[in-house]
This record gives sequence, structure tokens and C-alpha cells, in this order.
Amino acid sequence: EVQLVESGGELVQPGGSLRLSCAASGFSLNDNGMSWVRQAPGKGLEWVSVISAGGISTYYADSVKGRFIISRDTSKKMVYLQMTSLRAEDTAIYYCARTNGYYFHWYFDLWGRGTLVTVSS
Amino acid sequence: EIVLTQSPGTLSLSPGDRATLSCRASQTVRSNYLAWYQQKPGRSPRLLIFDASSRATGIPDRFSGSGSGTDFTLTISRLEREDFAVYYCQQYGSSYTFGQGTNLEI
Repeated sequence: EVQLVESGGELVQPGGSLRLSCAASGFSLNDNGMSWVRQAPGKGLEWVSVISAGGISTYYADSVKGRFIISRDTSKKMVYLQMTSLRAEDTAIYYCARTNGYYFHWYFDLWGRGTLVTVSS
Repeated sequence: EIVLTQSPGTLSLSPGDRATLSCRASQTVRSNYLAWYQQKPGRSPRLLIFDASSRATGIPDRFSGSGSGTDFTLTISRLEREDFAVYYCQQYGSSYTFGQGTNLEI
């Protein structure tokens, strides 16, 4: 079955760190780039980061640049989001999404169920 | 950054009606790289339309996308109860941004 399953979300204090994981099944990470998109409670969608199919190129939203790192392990079929210096405004459901389209002009054709990150003291 | 403005914020219609949702960009969207997503409460988004007018796999043909440049439209020809949800547009011509959403309610 083609699916994405996120994990790792939890309550963390401001300034803390957290690593989110996304398990991919039913397709190859060598064929598709992957992205993280977040949604604050009751709010809209915000793109966070993307990694290319080759794993060489990464790209970040200004709001997380320098604090978050996206990576992947193709052998384990996993995608990660390492988050540091977390702020209250990072509180959101984080979705893992498969990209499709053209190099760095991607839409998101498969989404996981999301994992909730809460940043609060 | 390209800002996407969706209208209306809320659209109240009945099953069988035709729905027209608008997405306006603050600048031209390169190559009409615009997608539409549907999100139901407590669920993850689902891709409906990409490249402004191409339907994603498994999406019923009552959903159609149109437009170019800065003005784009999602049309649902005959609403079914399962179509009532929040709809987002997204541009991927210059980085990635989403509109604020349109709540389609019964």
C-alpha cells in the first residue's frame, strides 16, 4: 500500500529540539522528492521544507531556515525533520508529503496523517 | 513571496449546486503551477488538481480547475455531501505558498 506515516511529535519546551520521522511505503524515495507541510491549530497550511529525489538539494521556508534540517535514509525508506530552537509558533500538525511535478516546482500528491508538535512551557 | 488570496472565505451551498471557488495570486504564477487540495475535519489534505487544470488520479470529473496568470478557479459541477470541506490552492512556481482556504459548507 502506498502511504506515509509520521511519528515523533510531542510536547516540547521553547528552545528545545525534536526529530520527526516519516515512514514511506509503496514507492521509492529515489523517484520522488519529499516535503514537510505544517498546520497550526485551526489555521491553514504552511510549507516547511523539501528534499529532492536525489537527496542532494534541500530548501526551507524562511520561518524555519537555520533551525530545521530535512534529511532522508533511502535504505530505511524514512524522511526526517530535525527541529531545533523551537518556538511557540512552531506548534502545529506536521504532515509528510510526497512531491510530484518538475524539479523544484512540486505539488504534493500523497500526504500522511500528520504528527502534532506542541511547543509550550 | 507570492501571496494567494482565496474567495469567498465561506461558501454555503446545497447538494446538487454548482460551486465556484476563486484563488488570486499577488503576481503571475509561473507556467500556471497551481494546485488545489481538499481537507475534511481531522483529515490530511488530498490533491485534487495540479498544473491549474489537470485532475489527480481518482478524482471525480465533477471537479475541474481553470485559469492562468494570476486568477484561478476550482469548479465543482454538482455538489455531493462528501464534497463539503475546506479547499486550499497552492502555487509552486516560486517557492511554495498556500491560500488561506475556502470553507464549503452545507
